[in-house]
Amino acid sequence: DAGITQSPRHKVTETGTPVTLRCHQTENHRYMYWYRQDPGHGLRLIHYSYGVKDTDKGEVSDGYSVSRSKTEDFLLTLESATSSQTSVYFCAIRDSGPGGNQPQHFGDGTRLSIL
Amino acid sequence: SQQGEEDPQALSIQEGENATMNCSYKTSINNLQWYRQNSGRGLVHLILIRSNEREKHSGRLRVTLDTSKKSSSLLITASRAADTASYFCATDAGEGAQKLVFGQGTRLTINP
Repeated sequence: DAGITQSPRHKVTETGTPVTLRCHQTENHRYMYWYRQDPGHGLRLIHYSYGVKDTDKGEVSDGYSVSRSKTEDFLLTLESATSSQTSVYFCAIRDSGPGGNQPQHFGDGTRLSIL
Repeated sequence: SQQGEEDPQALSIQEGENATMNCSYKTSINNLQWYRQNSGRGLVHLILIRSNEREKHSGRLRVTLDTSKKSSSLLITASRAADTASYFCATDAGEGAQKLVFGQGTRLTINP
């Protein structure tokens, strides 16, 4: 298995509180991704990073911010959590090269519940 | 919006039978990938097929790609209980193809 660790694995919090999810990799891969998975919507990209301090928005970026200060860590922050952000969040990594030629490797997810 | 859409949404078959899942997409692609997700786990990459390929095999998996119809199929032969999972297709999207767009998946159940 690719060396990807997501923390925490489960979290319950209240509306309006800030939440930070962490993705840590030991593969030294350049690309890192944050997705959310919801019933009926499949997997949707929130933000991704193509290098240290280089990030870009995905399909559903509103209400989320990210930071990548080191190659190995990619943080996802919900500044003020809302119930609509209750979801399972997955981190993925990918080695360099054209995106379509490289598979992504996924962590086991963080289940986030916002009450 | 979803680039890839899987069909059927759910499939239940007997162990030993073959399972076929289909994926349709909307725009031109460079490559198409298939992933598996076991319950409570992350996605695992199965196979990648390039746009200039028509068929690819990996063990009991066979993937076909028809770019004229913008569709792909995943065939799992001689299914096993351990194949029970959700299966997703993903296509590259955007400038530089740095991102993948996933379909909603097919939930496959193999009955013993």
